[in-house]
Amino acid sequence: AQSVTQPDARVTVSEGASLQLRCKYSYSGTPYLFWYVQYPRQGLQLLLKYYSGDPVVQGVNGFEAEFIKSNSSFHLRKASVHWSDSAVYFCAVRAPTGNTGKLIFGLGTTLQVQP
Amino acid sequence: EAAVTQSPRSKVAVTGGKVTLSCHQTNNHDYMYWYRQDTGHGLRLIHYSYVADSTEKGDIPDGYKASRPSQENFSLILELASLSQTAVYFCASSVQGANTGQLYFGEGSKLTVL
Repeated sequence: AQSVTQPDARVTVSEGASLQLRCKYSYSGTPYLFWYVQYPRQGLQLLLKYYSGDPVVQGVNGFEAEFIKSNSSFHLRKASVHWSDSAVYFCAVRAPTGNTGKLIFGLGTTLQVQP
Repeated sequence: EAAVTQSPRSKVAVTGGKVTLSCHQTNNHDYMYWYRQDTGHGLRLIHYSYVADSTEKGDIPDGYKASRPSQENFSLILELASLSQTAVYFCASSVQGANTGQLYFGEGSKLTVL
């Protein structure tokens, strides 16, 4: 069965610092992988996605993630965070085949950026 | 222009009452989903649909019904609301196929059952 683990429930960083949010998945093949962000009182918005090809994918607002198959990981990175990046970040996985199309989400990581 | 809109955005219901959450999408997507968000559980799939007039059970369907009367509309129905169904509910849509699968979410419906 597919699953997603985000080991850090909360991360606090200073503005301008670099960021890594961790995500590990369980899936026997190569899944489709996603990072979503949820700002307060809003729905989830896509940050970036990986389907195939280059394992480093670029997203919006300077975010990127690297798919490492050997480690079953898809960590999210940003070189320099801004206070507006404070939000909840979700990693998600889905099987590339089959017709359910459903995403399996991790529990999320709350990012707090301190001024 | 929001492509997935949910109503109501917030609702207070009484235990045992009936609640209907509505979702409308203008993405022309075949797939629609209802997720539930709880602290400590992330998002969990309740029901989904890939064609009008048909719905499928997700991972936590007990206590919920779904209705997809048209491609654009997808409702979540709580016939007998319970305290444990207090949560934020998200509707989403997507198109399926190779190199697809991104979900487009609505802004959520906060349900409080008293």
